[in-house]
Amino acid sequence: DTEVTQTPKHLVMGMTNKKSLKCEQHMGHRAMYWYKQKAKKPPELMFVYSYEKLSINESVPSRFSPECPNSSLLNLHLHALQPEDSALYLCASSQALGGYEKLFFGSGTQLSVL
Amino acid sequence: TQLLEQSPQFLSIQEGENLTVYCNSSSVFSSLQWYRQEPGEGPVLLVTVVTGGEVKKLKRLTFQFGDARKDSSLHITAAQTGDTGLYLCAGGNAGTASKLTFGTGTRLQVTL
Repeated sequence: DTEVTQTPKHLVMGMTNKKSLKCEQHMGHRAMYWYKQKAKKPPELMFVYSYEKLSINESVPSRFSPECPNSSLLNLHLHALQPEDSALYLCASSQALGGYEKLFFGSGTQLSVL
Repeated sequence: TQLLEQSPQFLSIQEGENLTVYCNSSSVFSSLQWYRQEPGEGPVLLVTVVTGGEVKKLKRLTFQFGDARKDSSLHITAAQTGDTGLYLCAGGNAGTASKLTFGTGTRLQVTL
């Protein structure tokens, strides 16, 4: 199994809503990532977890709250988002942290904030 | 901040043509990866190069890492419509807690 599974695939939410994005992998990878990708742009790193601990937070606003309940799961909790937060949110995993590591991406959640 | 500039930004060609995509930086990277992303999907890793001057071939795709490890190129021979997508280079450095730096992306469209 070389898949990273993300749910939901599409999400529409209002600015007062609370929602969560979910990501799951069963490759035994110990590093998991959240990226944000605007249309026709490269992915931008948001958060990195290594061995279930937050290793990197790229100064992301607090309305985005990551959680890593166990080594296979990664969540992104959303609250009071703005329309400019509309984007494709990608989850990725790798065996470990490091510049040589290969990233395995999920298909993403296309988020629209109204 | 390390930056990776890709050129061209957009390329539209017909099936059967050859093309080259460039990925350039003023910084040295320990490794360089290339990904392809199709609409509505996440990026998929094509190749990783780690040695200056290294050349890797993947069917009709040829990847090269510059001698100084600051640049890379992707050459596609006889492009097919299935090659359509967003091509992203990504530079990495050795060490823990290191993160990939993605390039600006090249959008390729191959038509019949």
